[in-house]
Amino acid sequence: DAGVIQSPRHEVTEMGQEVTLRCKPISGHNSLFWYRQTMMRGLELLIYFNNNVPIDDSGMPEDRFSAKMPNASFSTLKIQPSEPRDSAVYFCASTPPYSEAFMNTEAFFGQGTRLTVV
Amino acid sequence: AQTVTQSQPEMSVQEAETVTLSCTYDTSESNYYLFWYKQPPSRQMILVIRQEAYKQQNATENRFSVNFQKAAKSFSLKISDSQLGDTAMYFCAFMTPLSGNTPLVFGKGTRLSVIA
Repeated sequence: DAGVIQSPRHEVTEMGQEVTLRCKPISGHNSLFWYRQTMMRGLELLIYFNNNVPIDDSGMPEDRFSAKMPNASFSTLKIQPSEPRDSAVYFCASTPPYSEAFMNTEAFFGQGTRLTVV
Repeated sequence: AQTVTQSQPEMSVQEAETVTLSCTYDTSESNYYLFWYKQPPSRQMILVIRQEAYKQQNATENRFSVNFQKAAKSFSLKISDSQLGDTAMYFCAFMTPLSGNTPLVFGKGTRLSVIA
């Protein structure tokens, strides 16, 4: 498997524009997580899905942020309108179905998208 | 709320020496997992080592080992024979499996520099 695939790797946009980040999880994984990384706040969970259903979106900063997972192989994180304070690295991660027998708890991360809003 | 604290923002070590990174956590759960992730300049998040809370034996992976003190809620990472390629950010993380995998809670990280 190619691992978790995120696109684009880098995005530079102007304030007020819409930005869409994309993630393809590892095949067979049923949980997907979106994290944001900044120097000041470290790695923060934005939202996560189990079996394509959003479970916890309490980390989404405000209504300008939205995330979808229309199927098991694709998720998007959208920011509209974007602001300079949204500049960060955004990570997507996925995990397989949890099994106590196999203790398959490892989260696999994509390469991240570095977003710069000017 | 579950929290993870890494009290050392930056550390440095001479090549071939040993270094220990500290991590403490807070939880009321009895079943959980602890992790150390490495983030090199490429920014890829790489799992270094994992510890199940119910296991008393400390996990080891080649040059990497942990000192897990459950009562003290401490989970430190020891890197032996440090190599230049170990230069990276190191994140301690915590996860409680409920009905499935749940999100990792991360510490703020420790930036490790290995000096030749």
